[in-house]
Amino acid sequence: EVQLVESGGGLVQPGGSLRLSCAASGFTFSSYWMSWVRQAPGKGLEWVANIKQDGSDKYYVDSVKGRFTISRDNAKNSLYLQMNSLRAEDTAVYYCARYWNWFDPWGQGTLVTVSS
Amino acid sequence: EIVLTQSPATLSLSPGERATLSCRASQSVSSYLAWYQQKPGQAPRLLIFDASNRATGIPARFSGSGSGTDFTLTISSLEPEDFAVYYCQQRSNWPPYTFGQGTKLEIK
Repeated sequence: EVQLVESGGGLVQPGGSLRLSCAASGFTFSSYWMSWVRQAPGKGLEWVANIKQDGSDKYYVDSVKGRFTISRDNAKNSLYLQMNSLRAEDTAVYYCARYWNWFDPWGQGTLVTVSS
Repeated sequence: EIVLTQSPATLSLSPGERATLSCRASQSVSSYLAWYQQKPGQAPRLLIFDASNRATGIPARFSGSGSGTDFTLTISSLEPEDFAVYYCQQRSNWPPYTFGQGTKLEIK
C-alpha cells in the first residue's frame, strides 16, 4: 500500500523557519516526481513545489520562490520542504503527494501556523 | 497562469439524485484536467484524470467529460459518502499547476 506521512509542522513566528518531512513507502520512491500542495484554513488547494526523481529539476509557485526549498533523499525514501522567512499567509496544511502527471496519492498533511 | 472557475459554489442534492459539477478554464487545457474529492479532515483523493479516466478504485457512478475549456464531473446517483468538496486541477500549462476554488456538494 502506498503511504505518505508528513511531519514537522507546528507554530512558528513570522520570519521564522520550519522543515517539513514526508516519509514514503509502498512504492519505488526514486521513480517518481514528488510534490507539496498546501491548503489554508477553510480555503482551496494551492500547489507549492515539485521535484524530479533525481532532484535535478525543481519548480515553485511564485509566492514561495526564494523562501522555500524542496529536496529529497532517495536512500531514505523521504521528501522535504525547507521553509524560511515564513509569513502569516503561509499558514496552511501542507500535503506531500506523489506526482505522475497528477497528484496521487496524498499524505494526511501537517499543519503549519505562522503567528506571533 | 490558467484560472479554473468551478460552478456552482455549493450544490444541494439528495441521495440518489444526479450531480453535475462544472469547471471552466481561462484558456484551453486540452484534456489535461483532473478532479479530486476532499472530505472534512481528510486529504484530497484523485477521482478523474485526463478529463475522463477514473482513477483506481473509483466507482463507476463517477464520470468526467469535456475538453478545451469546459469540463463536467457527473455523479450518476449520489451515495451518502459522496457529499464532499470537489476540486478540478489543470496541468496543461505549468508551473504553476492550478486548482479551481471547489464545489461543495451538500445533502439537501
